[in-house]
Amino acid sequence: QKEVEQNSGPLSVPEGAIASLNCTYSDRGSQSFFWYRQYSGKSPELIMSIYSNGDKEDGRFTAQLNKASQYVSLLIRDSQPSDSATYLCAVRLPGSSGSARQLTFGSGTQLTVLP
Amino acid sequence: NAGVMQNPRHLVRRRGQEARLRCSPMKGHSHVYWYRQLPEEGLKFMVYLQKENIIDESGMPKERFSAEFPKEGPSILRIQQVVRGDSAAYFCASSPRLQPRDRGYYEQYFGPGTRLTVT
Repeated sequence: QKEVEQNSGPLSVPEGAIASLNCTYSDRGSQSFFWYRQYSGKSPELIMSIYSNGDKEDGRFTAQLNKASQYVSLLIRDSQPSDSATYLCAVRLPGSSGSARQLTFGSGTQLTVLP
Repeated sequence: NAGVMQNPRHLVRRRGQEARLRCSPMKGHSHVYWYRQLPEEGLKFMVYLQKENIIDESGMPKERFSAEFPKEGPSILRIQQVVRGDSAAYFCASSPRLQPRDRGYYEQYFGPGTRLTVT
């Protein structure tokens, strides 16, 4: 079982629709969760972070965390063609020492928003 | 520019040469992380450093790779005797020094990356 899993996609949605991206993680001790957006040939850009169960909203983006189910998702409302990118889920796993700070990334979900 | 800086942006090396990648963290940040992204693969952690100290190098290949973050100047990732399999995008990220009450809140911001091509 991979430590952080995402549906690789590709996921296509029409412009104006809601895009839903999902991520599961293996370690119940994980505390910090992040969504990055990566355009082709570019570096990852942090778009959301979430640490507590529930929803966190920032503009058109909503991150949802359910620690009991070990599940984190990202919703993009009113999707735009400029949202077309690969979305990376990242988790700070506890690590063997309990204090690891590096992020473990999923393989990413490629999103295409069709005009 | 207050963001994470990396140079060079593109680096071409022949097999057997050395590659040296540099990273300056965001202003006010004292923690540096190096990640590698192989073609069509995900981001993989390599090493985590603070000034003059390697904190975690569990993701670093045992041979040919080394990293440092001196008291003055940028962090450097060094790859000796490069091979074609080293061709990848190497990203540096930084995060701020946090107080104990902030434990768990480790947002990392990425630089533009160095794209290494080994011919």
